[in-house]
Amino acid sequence: GESVGLHLPTLSVQEGDNSIINCAYSNSASDYFIWYKQESGKGPQFIIDIRSNMDKRQGQRVTVLLNKTVKHLSLQIAATQPGDSAVYFCAEKGNTGKLIFGQGTTLQVKP
Amino acid sequence: DTEVTQTPKHLVMGMTNKKSLKCEQHMGHRAMYWYKQKAKKPPELMFVYSYEKLSINESVPSRFSPECPNSSLLNLHLHALQPEDSALYLCASSRPVVGLKQFFGPGTRLTVL
Repeated sequence: GESVGLHLPTLSVQEGDNSIINCAYSNSASDYFIWYKQESGKGPQFIIDIRSNMDKRQGQRVTVLLNKTVKHLSLQIAATQPGDSAVYFCAEKGNTGKLIFGQGTTLQVKP
Repeated sequence: DTEVTQTPKHLVMGMTNKKSLKCEQHMGHRAMYWYKQKAKKPPELMFVYSYEKLSINESVPSRFSPECPNSSLLNLHLHALQPEDSALYLCASSRPVVGLKQFFGPGTRLTVL
């Protein structure tokens, strides 16, 4: 079956450091991936997406890396700030077109 | 306008009540979604509308009834809910291709007593 998972439920980083959040997916046929940030009491907020014909995509302070060989996705956040504290979900577009979400990683930024 | 709005923000209802959740977007998106999210869990898909037609129902109990009156509005009618239905209900929308870059609303926090 299809599943998307994250390696660590919680990641704690120092303010100013870079953060790396990891995600493993199981469906090698998936062609689209997306990262969301969800702050407490809010809906998920789109961060960045990537199609399977790319290995890397950069946004403002964020980079998504896709390794199709090992079915691994990562989100890198540069110079992590307190406002980055949230739960981060990766999601994969499955065979039926639905988004399949991972379990989420809580990012805690220490001042 | 790049927002998805949802009303109400909070809702408390008894098991015999009938209530409705509302969602609106003005981005011209033709796919709209309802998700249910429990605390510390990822969103779970409930329904998908594509061009105002129900295209996916994830075997949701009939006490949840979706409705898409037009391309900008999505409703979720609730009747005879159970306490375990208490959750955050999220609406999302995307361009016609189902699954790509969904924009989420802030959600309705539902409590069933």
